[in-house]
Amino acid sequence: QKEVEQNSGPLSVPEGAIASLNCTYSDRGSQSFFWYRQYSGKSPELIMSIYSNGDKEDGRFTAQLNKASQYVSLLIRDSQPSDSATYLCAVSPSGAGSYQLTFGKGTKLSVIP
Amino acid sequence: NAGVMQNPRHLVRRRGQEARLRCSPMKGHSHVYWYRQLPEEGLKFMVYLQKENIIDESGMPKERFSAEFPKEGPSILRIQQVVRGDSAAYFCASSWTGAGYTGELFFGEGSRLTVL
Repeated sequence: QKEVEQNSGPLSVPEGAIASLNCTYSDRGSQSFFWYRQYSGKSPELIMSIYSNGDKEDGRFTAQLNKASQYVSLLIRDSQPSDSATYLCAVSPSGAGSYQLTFGKGTKLSVIP
Repeated sequence: NAGVMQNPRHLVRRRGQEARLRCSPMKGHSHVYWYRQLPEEGLKFMVYLQKENIIDESGMPKERFSAEFPKEGPSILRIQQVVRGDSAAYFCASSWTGAGYTGELFFGEGSRLTVL
């Protein structure tokens, strides 16, 4: 059974701080890793993708991947109240079936003004 | 709006009725995926379709659920004889490549089914 684990939160951080969201996955064959943001009642929105070990930065967001530890994280710098949402970690295998994303249950982030 | 369009956004059905959920993919996308999000659960893959073909339905319950993506018109997820456990948000996603793809899916805003 392929699993993706996230702390459900809520994770509360003050405005301007760094929010750190973590995710572990069970399938060592996983090759693609994604972070989606989901506002309440809205669609999941892709904010970061990462495919190789290390860091990937995009604006205030940094994704970190460590395949040996089966760990992926998302850092949000200078957190804003508009970042308050549920963040979903998603993982897909390589090759056939790569479209089958396995999602975690999400971490709810609350940025306090 | 060139995004993934789903309707209805909210649907209420009584036990035993049928639910039909529709999804129009993003312009230029020919691959459609349906995911289900149960309360307090993560999104779960249900089915992957291309025009007139079901590619992978391994996540679909064996009974009462079916999906299609006809040559013309939207993709439809059909749930017959609904039960309370079917209450969930059903999300459609689309992409413009299929197997071997890097996995970037674009989601619609979902159809929320409530079974009374």
